[in-house]
Amino acid sequence: SQQGEEDPQALSIQEGENATMNCSYKTSINNLQWYRQNSGRGLVHLILIRSNEREKHSGRLRVTLDTSKKSSSLLITASRAADTASYFCATRGYGGSQGNLIFGKGTKLSVKP
Amino acid sequence: DVKVTQSSRYLVKRTGEKVFLECVQDMDHENMFWYRQDPGLGLRLIYFSYDVKMKEKGDIPEGYSVSREKKERFSLILESASTNQTSMYLCASQGGTGELFFGEGSRLTVL
Repeated sequence: SQQGEEDPQALSIQEGENATMNCSYKTSINNLQWYRQNSGRGLVHLILIRSNEREKHSGRLRVTLDTSKKSSSLLITASRAADTASYFCATRGYGGSQGNLIFGKGTKLSVKP
Repeated sequence: DVKVTQSSRYLVKRTGEKVFLECVQDMDHENMFWYRQDPGLGLRLIYFSYDVKMKEKGDIPEGYSVSREKKERFSLILESASTNQTSMYLCASQGGTGELFFGEGSRLTVL
């Protein structure tokens, strides 16, 4: 029951550049969340955007949501080597089991010093 | 800060053994989840629980069971481990706005 699909699957950039990752989904959502996972570790919640929001910022992170296109993007500005990780989008539907988060397969970001 | 603790980071078991993976959260969250993560397949939901003694099947419950006797603890049980259950297992509890707080993961190898 996969919902979110991240694009690209892998991204390699130089330190200081911006990194953009995209997420597309299929059905109506209550909110969309982005998570980060360092290699071999658990996921860490980064940011949540509700279905009635279009843009949200947190530090160097900027998330947009376009419900008409069923897509979201995560922008990391002025990337650092420490941003190297996998990034996942997760969508949450409405009520009951639809309220469970469904994760995409992730974008693997590599930031080279 | 919310803390979700998984009992073992790495386990090696033999086929047919019973395996317990334990997860404890310290934020009084009602909802807890078990996922497995495999390369190319992403995170898949095994079981979840909305309350003590309550459990619901996720997308891939076959071969697994769970136990939630206390609110803070959610255990995943492999009754008879098989090699195709070699994976990374991730436990999470859910905050008020729906965000998940994950443990560090338990990497299980079944020989």
